[in-house]
Amino acid sequence: DADVTQTPRNRITKTGKRIMLECSQTKGHDRMYWYRQDPGLGLRLIYYSFDVKDINKGEISDGYSVSRQAQAKFSLSLESAIPNQTALYFCATSDPQEDTDTQYFGPGTRLTVL
Amino acid sequence: GENVEQHPSTLSVQEGDSAVIKCTYSDSASNYFPWYKQELGKGPQLIIDIRSNVGEKKDQRIAVTLNKTAKHFSLHITETQPEDSAVYFCAAKGGTSYGKLTFGQGTILTVHP
Repeated sequence: DADVTQTPRNRITKTGKRIMLECSQTKGHDRMYWYRQDPGLGLRLIYYSFDVKDINKGEISDGYSVSRQAQAKFSLSLESAIPNQTALYFCATSDPQEDTDTQYFGPGTRLTVL
Repeated sequence: GENVEQHPSTLSVQEGDSAVIKCTYSDSASNYFPWYKQELGKGPQLIIDIRSNVGEKKDQRIAVTLNKTAKHFSLHITETQPEDSAVYFCAAKGGTSYGKLTFGQGTILTVHP
């Protein structure tokens, strides 16, 4: 089984709808991250959490919110989806106890907002 | 904050040729530079990394070099194979980024048989 899973893998929705993307991990890592990927822009950090009680905004948090329900679960919500939020979304985890705090990515969720 | 620039955005080579992807960073306090490979339909996966106290690191056909003075680092792939075709991302961490990675824009590498 994959260490970092994301659901759903694909989602098509309409403008104004509320959407939740979920991430679960079995790696036992404290740190979790949400990124979005757009062509030519690389991976941009939306939110990150260094432990269950810690939530921080990344560089592009406007229009998004997150919830860290447990060490293993980190959800990303779009309160009112808009077309320019169409993108590939990735969850990642890391362990600061590891020498380099390597980030491990899930398979991604492709979101289309019509 | 940190800013990472990556070039080229696309790279096309023949099987067996070498490929080089270059990145520059802005924060001189950054001290860790990973490279990720993203295959179609998958999430990015770490392929090699380098710390600021090392100038070069090699792992079979891939190598990374770091020039701290110029604030740039490069990925070198030798004897390319079709399975090397993917999107490659460089990243930087350290300094004022407090454990967060800043990624480059990505390079689409295509290796033609």
